[in-house]
Amino acid sequence: GNSVTQMEGPVTLSEEAFLTINCTYTATGYPSLFWYVQYPGEGLQLLLKATKADDKGSNKGFEATYRKETTSFHLEKGSVQVSDSAVYFCALRVRQAGTALIFGKGTTLSVSS
Amino acid sequence: GAVVSQHPSWVICKSGTSVKIECRSLDFQATTMFWYRQFPKQSLMLMATSNEGSKATYEQGVEKDKFLINHASLTLSTLTVTSAHPEDSSFYICSATRQDTGELFFGEGSRLTVL
Repeated sequence: GNSVTQMEGPVTLSEEAFLTINCTYTATGYPSLFWYVQYPGEGLQLLLKATKADDKGSNKGFEATYRKETTSFHLEKGSVQVSDSAVYFCALRVRQAGTALIFGKGTTLSVSS
Repeated sequence: GAVVSQHPSWVICKSGTSVKIECRSLDFQATTMFWYRQFPKQSLMLMATSNEGSKATYEQGVEKDKFLINHASLTLSTLTVTSAHPEDSSFYICSATRQDTGELFFGEGSRLTVL
């Protein structure tokens, strides 16, 4: 079946530190991959996505590269800010019309000044 | 950008009552809507897939008589939690697939607390 595995948190960093949140997936075929962010008390927001192998998604200083050979889509940011504190979800969607996103368990990031 | 609105954003009800949550796509038509449930500090669990004009498809372990889903139009799906109990307290999130592009958009979620 299709599934997403994320590193377990919480991840605690100081401001300006480097961030990596690991994400690997299992899927039939070649899915599209996503990172969503959920700030405290808010809904899910799409952070970035990649639809095919070697694509790099980027947004707000965050990046993730679709690695087919390692079935991974790790999230990185070179210098985190306190405002990046949130829960981050890796997700996949198989390429069929009308299919839902399958989410990882989420990783809580806490950044202190 | 496309907007999906959920209402109410939070609701408190007594045990045994039923609660209806609406999910609307405000500026696009949605062929398919999905309902998720999120437990505290946990991931989103897909509950059901809802297609306009047809019966919802429920995931294994989700009681269809407990969680009634109606997708009456291309812009509205409703989730009714029937005879709610404290264990139904959760954060319910909908997402909608835009008909013309296939993109998914999420609502802001509805927090249900059953006393």
